[in-house]
Amino acid sequence: SAVISQKPSRDICQRGTSLTIQCQVDSQVTMMFWYRQQPGQSLTLIATANQGSEATYESGFVIDKFPISRPNLTFSTLTVSNMSPEDSSIYLCSVAIWGRGTEAFFGQGTRLTVV
Amino acid sequence: QKEVEQDPGPLSVPEGAIVSLNCTYSNSAFQYFMWYRQYSRKGPELLMYTYSSGNKEDGRFTAQVDKSSKYISLFIRDSQPSDSATYLCAMTRGSTLGRLYFGRGTQLTVWP
Repeated sequence: SAVISQKPSRDICQRGTSLTIQCQVDSQVTMMFWYRQQPGQSLTLIATANQGSEATYESGFVIDKFPISRPNLTFSTLTVSNMSPEDSSIYLCSVAIWGRGTEAFFGQGTRLTVV
Repeated sequence: QKEVEQDPGPLSVPEGAIVSLNCTYSNSAFQYFMWYRQYSRKGPELLMYTYSSGNKEDGRFTAQVDKSSKYISLFIRDSQPSDSATYLCAMTRGSTLGRLYFGRGTQLTVWP
């Protein structure tokens, strides 16, 4: 498996501000994903982070709200923009490795509270 | 209808009990099935991975897949307090590398 480091692990932010979450992997991976985990809800995919190109967003998620970067095969960022209390959630970075691509490995998550 | 349904519990059992966790799904294209364990304030950890129908055993854990019924199960034998966590089922078509569909998770407590 891959070792995935996610920063920050938690944050409390004011509404209307933005937070950038970083995901660093210890090896080159094929795919990187960003999920949201709201209380009592299933993990929901926000987008697939594509290396060197624009991310692919799932229905209900837009680039203006959740801009994503992936400058190389081991690093990605997710920004939560213009935050409101409804954005309070756990955000998780996930990776898939070629040859083990149907499995996904997760970082420890970023617990975000918007006040 | 959600693609993956999972009873959120909570489920509370005594140490040593056999635990049965289940998920149902609606998309017949799913071929790969996983169980993740998530401790409080941690990310999900891959526990079991199964392709298509059948059983897979790993120590105290057994995963079962019945594609004809669109039903998957995870059994935990001789449950321990350290098994207390949220268990998430997940599945994928396989054609979408690493893109998973999750159940809501079942919160399990094993008391000594």
